[in-house]
Amino acid sequence: DAGVIQSPRHEVTEMGQEVTLRCKPISGHNSLFWYRQTMMRGLELLIYFNNNVPIDDSGMPEDRFSAKMPNASFSTLKIQPSEPRDSAVYFCASSFRRATNEKLFFGSGTQLSVL
Amino acid sequence: RKEVEQDPGPFNVPEGATVAFNCTYSNSASQSFFWYRQDCRKEPKLLMSVYSSGNEDGRFTAQLNRASQYISLLIRDSKLSDSATYLCVVNNFGNEKLTFGTGTRLTIIP
Repeated sequence: DAGVIQSPRHEVTEMGQEVTLRCKPISGHNSLFWYRQTMMRGLELLIYFNNNVPIDDSGMPEDRFSAKMPNASFSTLKIQPSEPRDSAVYFCASSFRRATNEKLFFGSGTQLSVL
Repeated sequence: RKEVEQDPGPFNVPEGATVAFNCTYSNSASQSFFWYRQDCRKEPKLLMSVYSSGNEDGRFTAQLNRASQYISLLIRDSKLSDSATYLCVVNNFGNEKLTFGTGTRLTIIP
C-alpha cells in the first residue's frame, strides 16, 4: 500500500486566493482526519470523518475552511479566501477504527504558504 | 490549561546516554495514550502505545501515572537516529479525537 497520499506537497498562493488540499487515505481505512501544524500551536485537529461522514468539525477555525469526503478514497480541505495566518503544514491521516487504540497513519503533508 | 503539555526542550543528550521526558494531560477521563515520533520536515509516526502497566519496546519504555496524570518516555542507550521530536498523544474514551502535545525536541550528540 502506498500509504496516505496528499497533494500538493507545497502550495504558495496569494492572500485571497482559494486553496484546495487533497488526500487519499489508505484503502480499507474508515476514518480520516485533517490536522494543521504550526510551530506555535503544534498539531491541531481540524475535522474528522468516519465512513465518509463528518463527525467533528469543531476544530475548523472559521467559515473560510471547509472539508468534504465524497467517497471512501478521497477528501479535500478548502480554504477560501486564504489569509497569511493560514500558512502551516496540513496533514491528512487515516485509520481503521477499532476500540480506542487505533493507529493513525499520516500523509507527508502539504506545506502551505499564503503571501 | 492545555489538554496535553510537554516540555518543548530542546534536550541535547550525548550518544549512549539515557533520556526521559514527561507529558501531562488535563482530562482525567483520558483513556488511551501514545508517543509519536516526528522527524524534521516529516509526518508523525506512531512510536508506541502506553499501557496502564507500562510497556517496553527495545530501548524505549513508556509509563502511565493516572494519579498524577502524566505519561513518560525513557530512551536508553540513545542513538544518533533517535534525534527527533517526540509527541505525546491522548485520546478520550469513545472518541476518535487524538490530542497532540506540541512535542519535545531531542538531539543526540555524537
